[in-house]
Amino acid sequence: AQTVTQSQPEMSVQEAETVTLSCTYDTSENNYYLFWYKQPPSRQMILVIRQEAYKQQNATENRFSVNFQKAAKSFSLKISDSQLGDTAMYFCAFITNYGGSQGNLIFGKGTKLSVKP
Amino acid sequence: NAGVTQTPKFQVLKTGQSMTLQCAQDMNHEYMSWYRQDPGMGLRLIHYSVGAGITDQGEVPNGYNVSRSTTEDFPLRLLSAAPSQTSVYFCASSYDGRGFSYNSPLHFGNGTRLTVT
Repeated sequence: AQTVTQSQPEMSVQEAETVTLSCTYDTSENNYYLFWYKQPPSRQMILVIRQEAYKQQNATENRFSVNFQKAAKSFSLKISDSQLGDTAMYFCAFITNYGGSQGNLIFGKGTKLSVKP
Repeated sequence: NAGVTQTPKFQVLKTGQSMTLQCAQDMNHEYMSWYRQDPGMGLRLIHYSVGAGITDQGEVPNGYNVSRSTTEDFPLRLLSAAPSQTSVYFCASSYDGRGFSYNSPLHFGNGTRLTVT
């Protein structure tokens, strides 16, 4: 079975500091895509960053970056210079089956991040 | 530029009642899907569609029906609501009819919070 595990149900960080959220996944596929979604209290799901499994270079989007370790099946999210607006639930997700049949996104259970002033 | 619109935002039902959660997108997306979000469970796929007239089951389809008569709309029907269906429901769409991918990520609606008493 394909699964996503986020081992930290809750985390907190001081404003302006750096925090890393962990994510591991399990799949027998070689080609897949990984995502981090943010869900603020408004409930909206927002795509934060994405990574193609065949690319060794880690993706970055402004203050957000990932540490993708394919052999370890690990996909952690680093948030630099944390801001109060980063307070949210963060979901790790991945998809296989791209280019073939319909692909469906598999989500982890989420990590609740609180940024403290 | 509405994106994915879900109505209603909140709903309370009694056990056994029926209702339809509406989802519409104005981006000409082929792929549409419904997820439910429960505390500690992440998001789980209910049903999805890769185009008008085509639907398929996801991970947790029991108790829900869908149809896709137009590209824009993908309603989710609860025929006989049960307390176990108390959840937050998200509709999501993607341009790529094969599912979604790195270049065609999911766009989410703002969710419907459903309570069944």
